[in-house]
Amino acid sequence: EADIYQTPRYLVIGTGKKITLECSQTMGHDKMYWYQQDPGMELHLIHYSYGVNSTEKGDLSSESTVSRIRTEHFPLTLESARPSHTSQYLCASREHGQGNTEAFFGQGTRLTVV
Amino acid sequence: GNSVTQMEGPVTLSEEAFLTINCTYTATGYPSLFWYVQYPGEGLQLLLKATKADDKGSNKGFEATYRKETTSFHLEKGSVQVSDSAVYFCALSDWSDKLIFGTGTRLQVFP
Repeated sequence: EADIYQTPRYLVIGTGKKITLECSQTMGHDKMYWYQQDPGMELHLIHYSYGVNSTEKGDLSSESTVSRIRTEHFPLTLESARPSHTSQYLCASREHGQGNTEAFFGQGTRLTVV
Repeated sequence: GNSVTQMEGPVTLSEEAFLTINCTYTATGYPSLFWYVQYPGEGLQLLLKATKADDKGSNKGFEATYRKETTSFHLEKGSVQVSDSAVYFCALSDWSDKLIFGTGTRLQVFP
């Protein structure tokens, strides 16, 4: 079983609220990722990190921000939630490698902004 | 840039039928290729992988062969079960460690 956890699993929040989605892993992985999964199932990379104090934007533009102050923790923040942010958010981590290591995923946070 | 194309679903099969889900990729260099599976309400989990040309990944009766000449990594299973019903994602990863996914294919297996 993967040791990567996301909280909360489900969140319903009003427009304009600030929210933080939590992601933690206990495997000591350097690389962590955030994906947004739309209702049609497609996964879009929105942020990634190669280690502490390293963050990069992914292929899909997102109004969210991330931080990586500790190896095990990679939270995602939305300063002002909007209905267009309604989606499933998946966090993943993997060992450093030449692109050939397994990625482990959390169970996801399903966010609904009303 | 790198990309993955996989067949649209849903794929609907009867139990014990043969399964193929097509996946092709575009990449520079020599990426690693993966199949991930997502069961309802869950995150993704690795099903199998192949890291170089002609490698065959296999797990739980599923197989896929890394074909560089056709830039393909098709997923196959000889006899599907109801419990295989899920969404399957083909993915690639290169030296930069960005993991790029296809659009996913939903498989529905009926008894």
